[in-house]
Amino acid sequence: QSVLTQPPSASGTPGQRVTISCSGSSSNIGSNAVNWYQQVPGTAPKLLIYNNDQRPSGVPDRFSGSKSGTSASLAIGGLQSEDETDYFCSAWDDSLIAVVFGGGTKLTVL
Amino acid sequence: QVHLVQSGAEVKKPGSSVKVSCKASGGSFNSYAFSWVRQAPGQGLEWMGWIVPIFGTIDYAQKFQGRVTITADESTTTASVELSSLRSEDTAIYYCASVLYEKRGTTVTKFYLDYWGQGTLVTVSS
Repeated sequence: QSVLTQPPSASGTPGQRVTISCSGSSSNIGSNAVNWYQQVPGTAPKLLIYNNDQRPSGVPDRFSGSKSGTSASLAIGGLQSEDETDYFCSAWDDSLIAVVFGGGTKLTVL
Repeated sequence: QVHLVQSGAEVKKPGSSVKVSCKASGGSFNSYAFSWVRQAPGQGLEWMGWIVPIFGTIDYAQKFQGRVTITADESTTTASVELSSLRSEDTAIYYCASVLYEKRGTTVTKFYLDYWGQGTLVTVSS
């Protein structure tokens, strides 16, 4: 059971905009920055969004992040076939004094 | 930009220990913090702990307290994690990652893993 809650799956068609939600509590998302990681099966996770809405160099601006209260969202615009993979949210948790992750969302491009 | 290369796959017996290393290159070793995350087969990501070599501070996730040891050696620019009393549930890919963080006083407010090692598969089987 993950501390942060994500939908296990999401889907969209090429060119569409999809969003993936991440729900937490006051001790994690409500207090601290949210990050998103993209993981292609068989490879290490890659930082996609940090500090709620910042993109590392090289990440296309199709990817965007937002946070409101104890929830966060990852939006992917102009969906492409290569976006079909797994996405994880994370944040620092003040109560656990640890990093917590969501269970991951598998994105399917139909 | 730091480049992280981890040690090779391990097969261990239940009750034994395993040590996974992570060699860092690029930049100053002491300017980084390092974290360990594991992923059981088909499962999500699980944070184990982190170390800030320049300050010598180490924190472990409560779940692993007493069983895990994270170290960093500046002379070899290598971070390591050792997990003892292994059981089958510890079978997973273990990742090291460099950490960027901010604190407000003593409280972490921002913490993200910007570069990751390739992962090390640890299999625990009798």
